[in-house]
Amino acid sequence: RKEVEQDPGPFNVPEGATVAFNCTYSNSASQSFFWYRQDCRKEPKLLMSVYSSGNEDGRFTAQLNRASQYISLLIRDSKLSDSATYLCVVNSFNKFYFGSGTKLNVKP
Amino acid sequence: NAGVTQTPKFRILKIGQSMTLQCTQDMNHNYMYWYRQDPGMGLKLIYYSVGAGITDKGEVPNGYNVSRSTTEDFPLRLELAAPSQTSVYFCASSYSISRGETQYFGPGTRLLVL
Repeated sequence: RKEVEQDPGPFNVPEGATVAFNCTYSNSASQSFFWYRQDCRKEPKLLMSVYSSGNEDGRFTAQLNRASQYISLLIRDSKLSDSATYLCVVNSFNKFYFGSGTKLNVKP
Repeated sequence: NAGVTQTPKFRILKIGQSMTLQCTQDMNHNYMYWYRQDPGMGLKLIYYSVGAGITDKGEVPNGYNVSRSTTEDFPLRLELAAPSQTSVYFCASSYSISRGETQYFGPGTRLLVL
């Protein structure tokens, strides 16, 4: 079983749409959680950390459900510039585990 | 600050050749990591280090070696290149792995083994 699983997509949405991505992780002892963004042929960059109480950063909202071992990312009012692959990342005992990513295409 | 730098950007190797991928960070981070990313896949951890002189294996260490003689540098060595090692290699660093601490990535090295 993979440590972190994501729907690969692609999610094709029009500008202004709201889109949600989900991610599940297998290790209940995982300690910290993140969403990264990766543009084509570029390195991953941190989008936001995910906290148990949920957190928001502008148009982006992240949620963590430890009981279900589930992380989500909600993007409101999608922009063309949001087109990228979104990686769910989980930290367990010194190691970061990456999902394979969910591809988002925002179209005019 | 330059952050995390990697050299070379791109390399073609023949089967059986050796090479070292260089990684340097100037943020005084304790933790450093090497990942590989195959097309359409997530990143897989090859090796990591929690400080100078300390290294440990990740998920996919076979065919690779590392050393960490200084805080700044964390080179990755491929001894006998194989086609299965064709991938994009990312180096990353973080100050710690406490809650909320993130990683900073280098721009990657694209390796093609023929």
